[in-house]
Amino acid sequence: GESVGLHLPTLSVQEGDNSIINCAYSNSASDYFIWYKQESGKGPQFIIDIRSNMDKRQGQRVTVLLNKTVKHLSLQIAATQPGDSAVYFCAGTTGGGNKLTFGTGTQLKVEL
Amino acid sequence: GAGVSQSPRYKVAKRGQDVALRCDPISGHVSLFWYQQALGQGPEFLTYFQNEAQLDKSGLPSDRFFAERPEGSVSTLKIQRTQQEDSAVYLCASKGLRSQETQYFGPGTRLLVL
Repeated sequence: GESVGLHLPTLSVQEGDNSIINCAYSNSASDYFIWYKQESGKGPQFIIDIRSNMDKRQGQRVTVLLNKTVKHLSLQIAATQPGDSAVYFCAGTTGGGNKLTFGTGTQLKVEL
Repeated sequence: GAGVSQSPRYKVAKRGQDVALRCDPISGHVSLFWYQQALGQGPEFLTYFQNEAQLDKSGLPSDRFFAERPEGSVSTLKIQRTQQEDSAVYLCASKGLRSQETQYFGPGTRLLVL
């Protein structure tokens, strides 16, 4: 089955620095990945997604990189802001995204 | 625009009590999902509907958990004879036909069983 894990439970960065959050997955059949941001007391908020036929995708201040060889993906946040403080989850799925498997999350703390 | 809404936002139940959690998906979204999120953990899949059909209930932890979506819109997750281990945040998500792969989440219902 799928398992998705994160390398670090907590990441502290200075405001303005770039943040990199990593995620590993086990199921080589996973074909779709999503990064979610979850603030305290709220539901997960979609950030960016990537399909397995891509190795990079960029959004506004965020970039997701996918390395299928080592089953690893990362979320890069440029010029991290205090509003970026939250828990970040990666999630993976196969065949259309109907059953997402989430990792345990990384707490991003932005220091002023 | 309106997102996924859930009610109640908080629920305190005594052990053994039945509870019902409601989800209103984004209008027009045919797919609806329920997840359970324990404290400090990522969400875990419970069940999935396409319109009124429950296509996957493999994540429901026991037969005390029951979900329905009779008219293909609003969904209710019911937990019978609640136990302390049922305490968690229950998240609902919906997905449309055009954005086939992105699930949009509601704020969740935080259930505390005493």
